[in-house]
Amino acid sequence: AQSVTQLGSHVSVSEGALVLLRCNYSSSVPPYLFWYVQYPNQGLQLLLKYTSAATLVKGINGFEAEFKKSETSFHLTKPSAHMSDAAEYFCAVRSNDYKLSFGAGTTVTVRA
Amino acid sequence: DAGITQSPRYKITETGRQVTLMCHQTWSHSYMFWYRQDLGHGLRLIYYSAAADITDKGEVPDGYVVSRSKTENFPLTLESATRSQTSVYFCASRRGGPQETQYFGPGTRLLVL
Repeated sequence: AQSVTQLGSHVSVSEGALVLLRCNYSSSVPPYLFWYVQYPNQGLQLLLKYTSAATLVKGINGFEAEFKKSETSFHLTKPSAHMSDAAEYFCAVRSNDYKLSFGAGTTVTVRA
Repeated sequence: DAGITQSPRYKITETGRQVTLMCHQTWSHSYMFWYRQDLGHGLRLIYYSAAADITDKGEVPDGYVVSRSKTENFPLTLESATRSQTSVYFCASRRGGPQETQYFGPGTRLLVL
């Protein structure tokens, strides 16, 4: 069975600072990994995904994530936070029958 | 408009009542999913469907029923609502291939009194 763990339920960063959101996965097969963002009162929107093509994945809005098999990690980063990055972020792993298992989520607050 | 829609967006009901949440997608995606979102749990899969007339249980199916007579619709029914089913419910559909992703609807906020 696949699962993910997100370390830190809340992250607060200053505008312009690095954003780092941590995700570790457990999977018995090569994983398909995703990061989604949820803005208040909205559904989830795909930021980026890892499908074994490249270990460094670039997504929308300046986010990227690096797949590290040895650490079973898929951490999300953005070099410079913007006020519009304030949202909740979810890491997810996909099973062979396309079901997603989500982490508990990390809420990002951006300080002016 | 193309996309995935859910109705109603907000619903208040009482314990013991039957409630049906609707989900409609315009892409003809084969796979559709129902999740519930609760604080501290992220999203948990309730039911999913691989195609019309093919459905299967997810992680938290108890108290829910689904059907899928048409590819574009995937209603979720709470047969006898309980307070523990107060949650935000999201429907999603999967686009396959190299651009694989799940597209999520805007959600239904359900309050069971």
